[in-house]
Amino acid sequence: DGGITQSPKYLFRKEGQNVTLSCEQNLNHDAMYWYRQDPGQGLRLIYYSQIVNDFQKGDIAEGYSVSREKKESFPLTVTSAQKNPTAFYLCASSIGLLVSYEQYFGPGTRLTVT
Amino acid sequence: GQNIDQPTEMTATEGAIVQINCTYQTSGFNGLFWYQQHAGEAPTFLSYNVLDGLEEKGRFSSFLSRSKGYSYLLLKELQMKDSASYLCAVRDRQGGKLIFGQGTELSVKP
Repeated sequence: DGGITQSPKYLFRKEGQNVTLSCEQNLNHDAMYWYRQDPGQGLRLIYYSQIVNDFQKGDIAEGYSVSREKKESFPLTVTSAQKNPTAFYLCASSIGLLVSYEQYFGPGTRLTVT
Repeated sequence: GQNIDQPTEMTATEGAIVQINCTYQTSGFNGLFWYQQHAGEAPTFLSYNVLDGLEEKGRFSSFLSRSKGYSYLLLKELQMKDSASYLCAVRDRQGGKLIFGQGTELSVKP
């Protein structure tokens, strides 16, 4: 079955620690995205990637970093510089960025930093 | 600027019809998406409109008016499982990215 996996579903960290959230897709999609969702709010774009070895900042990239070394994988690192890291993080992919196809979402990772 | 507005909450009765509105002001337009999201889960795709008019898909329909910057999602024969958040998202012409509204939390009551 093709899809997007994110792990773990729940993640707990102490303040000041960096943490990496994984995202893997086997849909052969070129474009991948990371969103953050806070209670009662819509999705906000953190980073996106159109192709391997290339990625762009979204609307709220500060305090986050990504890499795209393989087509299937787009891990997100939440650094200690991110002031309010506790949130629900969603990874998505689509066939391409500049085409009119929907984005497919992974199940999400709920990160709690204390 | 970019702005997408949806009502925060709506309540409807099982078996009824509900219309969820979305208005948008964006620097470009290249299509509008509706997603459904159950609590704590991933959003799932419902519909896509790029031309004016109504798109029907089973119990769900979506309408777009580009001149008015307006869309709605119509849900018929409501079921309890339709209780969820409904997200409106506009594709930005420049970058192809999606801009999401805050979502409308729909509660379906017996």
